[in-house]
Amino acid sequence: AQTVTQSQPEMSVQEAETVTLSCTYDTSENNYYLFWYKQPPSRQMILVIRQEAYKQQNATENRFSVNFQKAAKSFSLKISDSQLGDTAMYFCAFMKWGSGNTPLVFGKGTRLSVIA
Amino acid sequence: DTEVTQTPKHLVMGMTNKKSLKCEQHMGHRAMYWYKQKAKKPPELMFVYSYEKLSINESVPSRFSPECPNSSLLNLHLHALQPEDSALYLCASSQETGFRGYEQYFGPGTRLTVT
Repeated sequence: AQTVTQSQPEMSVQEAETVTLSCTYDTSENNYYLFWYKQPPSRQMILVIRQEAYKQQNATENRFSVNFQKAAKSFSLKISDSQLGDTAMYFCAFMKWGSGNTPLVFGKGTRLSVIA
Repeated sequence: DTEVTQTPKHLVMGMTNKKSLKCEQHMGHRAMYWYKQKAKKPPELMFVYSYEKLSINESVPSRFSPECPNSSLLNLHLHALQPEDSALYLCASSQETGFRGYEQYFGPGTRLTVT
């Protein structure tokens, strides 16, 4: 079974600063996907960024980037130039790739507050 | 259109009531999901439908009954719920499960309160 661990229940960052959210996972699979989802207070969960395990290059989406260390089973999210709208719960998630149905396995989440 | 819609947004029901939650997507996705989310917790998977057939039931009590009338619609029928069933119920969809399974798109959820 796969597990996802987010060791930082809460974090805060000043507006315009950079923050890194950590995520580690445990799996015996070689091929899989990793995701970061954002859930603002009382708002919809949206996908922030995704990474395919077979790709060595770290994914980047505008101000969001990941540091994917496959051997270490680590998948951290870096948010640059933090904005007030980045305040949200962030979930790291794992999905197997291969056969059968592939539910998401979520970490417990990190609550990020961006302070003006 | 990358949108999953859910109705109603809020629902209050008594323990003897019967109600239904509705989810709709028009992205051509063939996999649809129901999740339950408690406050400050991650979503917990309840059911997965793949090509309109139930493929995963995460040992959910029978008072929750899913239905997939067609590839765009997903319902969750509720009957004789308990107060501990109060939560945010999220629907999601993805291109398909299995080998080409990919990211899930979530709806805004239905906030359910059982009194």
